[in-house]
Amino acid sequence: DTVLTQSPALAVSPGERVTISCRASESVSTLMHWYQQKPGQQPTLLIYLASNLESGVPARFSGSGSGTDFTLTIDPVEADDTATYYCQQSWNDPWTFGGGTKLELK
Amino acid sequence: EVQLVESGGGLVQPGRSLKLSCAASGFTFSDYNMAWVRQAPKKGLEWVATIIYDGSRTYYRDSVKGRFTISRDNAKSTLYLQMDSLRSEDTATYYCAILRGWFAYWGQGTLVTVSS
Repeated sequence: DTVLTQSPALAVSPGERVTISCRASESVSTLMHWYQQKPGQQPTLLIYLASNLESGVPARFSGSGSGTDFTLTIDPVEADDTATYYCQQSWNDPWTFGGGTKLELK
Repeated sequence: EVQLVESGGGLVQPGRSLKLSCAASGFTFSDYNMAWVRQAPKKGLEWVATIIYDGSRTYYRDSVKGRFTISRDNAKSTLYLQMDSLRSEDTATYYCAILRGWFAYWGQGTLVTVSS
């Protein structure tokens, strides 16, 4: 299975820029997607196909990358962005998720 | 407005069965592939199963093959997950999701606890 590795946690101050990384154990082309999960809620789609912003998602969120290295950027971070962020690949079967990065606001 | 409402979760003993449902509304259910994704308590997300829009093909993760069955009733706009021979490691919140090559929209989930 394709393993997606994310840093477990980050802490940033409101107004700062934060980058969340996701590294794949093998190439996933650009079939990488990002989700936000707030405490007690279901995940919601932020970015699909590495860099496409889902409708209704603030333009503060952006994605980049291809192959094995991907990044989700939030600029500027707001208090409401406190959540866990997951990357997910759909290039190789089975589809797999990263372990999640918990974003905390200082 | 798109809505996915899961139901059928609960406490079940190891080895027993449970059937989850996901009622869909606000979109043309029969046009979309659908999936189940689960999340063990305090853990990450794990894809479980996928069904093609017309029900003609299904796909499962290895750990549930032969025990879980995904199905759909397009006339009722409802997705199902029949779970047999349940194990403690199947304890999780189960989400249904609309597929567009990725998990485009998720329901609120239903908790399944497998314990004696």
